Amino acid sequence: GAVVSQHPSWVICKSGTSVKIECRSLDFQATTMFWYRQFPKQSLMLMATSNEGSKATYEQGVEKDKFLINHASLTLSTLTVTSAHPEDSSFYICSALETSGTYEQYFGPGTRLTVT
Amino acid sequence: AQKITQTQPGMFVQEKEAVTLDCTYDTSDPSYGLFWYKQPSSGEMIFLIYQGSYDQQNATEGRYSLNFQKARKSANLVISASQLGDSAMYFCAMREKPYSGYALNFGKGTSLLVTP
Repeated sequence: GAVVSQHPSWVICKSGTSVKIECRSLDFQATTMFWYRQFPKQSLMLMATSNEGSKATYEQGVEKDKFLINHASLTLSTLTVTSAHPEDSSFYICSALETSGTYEQYFGPGTRLTVT
Repeated sequence: AQKITQTQPGMFVQEKEAVTLDCTYDTSDPSYGLFWYKQPSSGEMIFLIYQGSYDQQNATEGRYSLNFQKARKSANLVISASQLGDSAMYFCAMREKPYSGYALNFGKGTSLLVTP
């Protein structure tokens, strides 16, 4: 199956700083990627849909100025958490949509963010 | 309204036994897809099985099978011959295309523990 990577796999940052998480599709081109957030012992919640070359579509309740998404190429989407607060600590998972056949989503391994 | 309902927060099964994880869904879209994912403690999302709304037969993948009852809007996952490595969180998810842009809507998950 197709491979999606995320970097970093874990990050600790101080309150008020920004952190960038990268999501890459390694062996296919993805015009659409998704960003999910998962709090401990909870489900994955869709934050936004990232479309190459256009603005991301954010889900209701997700602050677009706080969670900046850039999908500058067909293999890379980035999520930047700006002015991070402890309540932003979570597991962030991206997925890339394969559109040449099955329209299957391939998930990255996730990034664990801890804001101190 | 919750679109995917998993009513079993936790399940126990003895090794080598079969176990059924429940999932019901709600949609008015005639075209949809149902997925099951496994999430071990490492956090990665592992795709297990897919059922399309128009598929005539229940999906099977090795030890995994999906008991699809369209009229009841249920898509239960059956794991046969459980193994210790099956201990993980299991998520049912639905994709309603094309309106959702192929994003997945996840249930709250079921924690499965396989005992020796």
